[in-house]
Amino acid sequence: NAGVTQTPKFQVLKTGQSMTLQCAQDMNHEYMSWYRQDPGMGLRLIHYSVGAGITDQGEVPNGYNVSRSTTEDFPLRLLSAAPSQTSVYFCASSYSRTGGGKLFFGSGTQLSVL
Amino acid sequence: GNSVTQMEGPVTLSEEAFLTINCTYTATGYPSLFWYVQYPGEGLQLLLKATKADDKGSNKGFEATYRKETTSFHLEKGSVQVSDSAVYFCALPEGGQNFVFGPGTRLSVLP
Repeated sequence: NAGVTQTPKFQVLKTGQSMTLQCAQDMNHEYMSWYRQDPGMGLRLIHYSVGAGITDQGEVPNGYNVSRSTTEDFPLRLLSAAPSQTSVYFCASSYSRTGGGKLFFGSGTQLSVL
Repeated sequence: GNSVTQMEGPVTLSEEAFLTINCTYTATGYPSLFWYVQYPGEGLQLLLKATKADDKGSNKGFEATYRKETTSFHLEKGSVQVSDSAVYFCALPEGGQNFVFGPGTRLSVLP
């Protein structure tokens, strides 16, 4: 099993550019989410989804869009990149949508916005 | 909402030293508690969990006990190895499968 796959691993953008971070899982998990990791702040939830066609906002959703057209994929779109979005981004999934289950994480995307 | 306070470190130990990483939490009710570990260049992975008060989670020589009275879930290991060098995150659920994570504690173990 590949688990949770994120691409790209590294990306440099200029302010104002847009891009999509890809996330795919092959475990048939209903729940998927995006976190950003910043020094001293741990992981903060950006957006999440409890199934195909269902998405919701997390703690820090501004500047990001998501969609969930299939169970497997959960892309994160940066509409107009800003330096404040420089961070490491992690996609995570879980078999449970109701809580208590563990999260499976991808290996992350390191994004720099100049 | 739920929150986690965790010692940030970094923590540097010699091989075979005793490790404690403190974690305290604020939560509604008695949620499950988790420790995740992030090895260099990788995503987070579950290290251990405890689902109710006085439960002890354990894995790979690490242990943590769910203490309701002190709202704590400290991570301990009796003898650390170089391979334990990583960042450790305390976490608890905040609605469904969404989690609140502590800031992470970077551990470096020297041979």
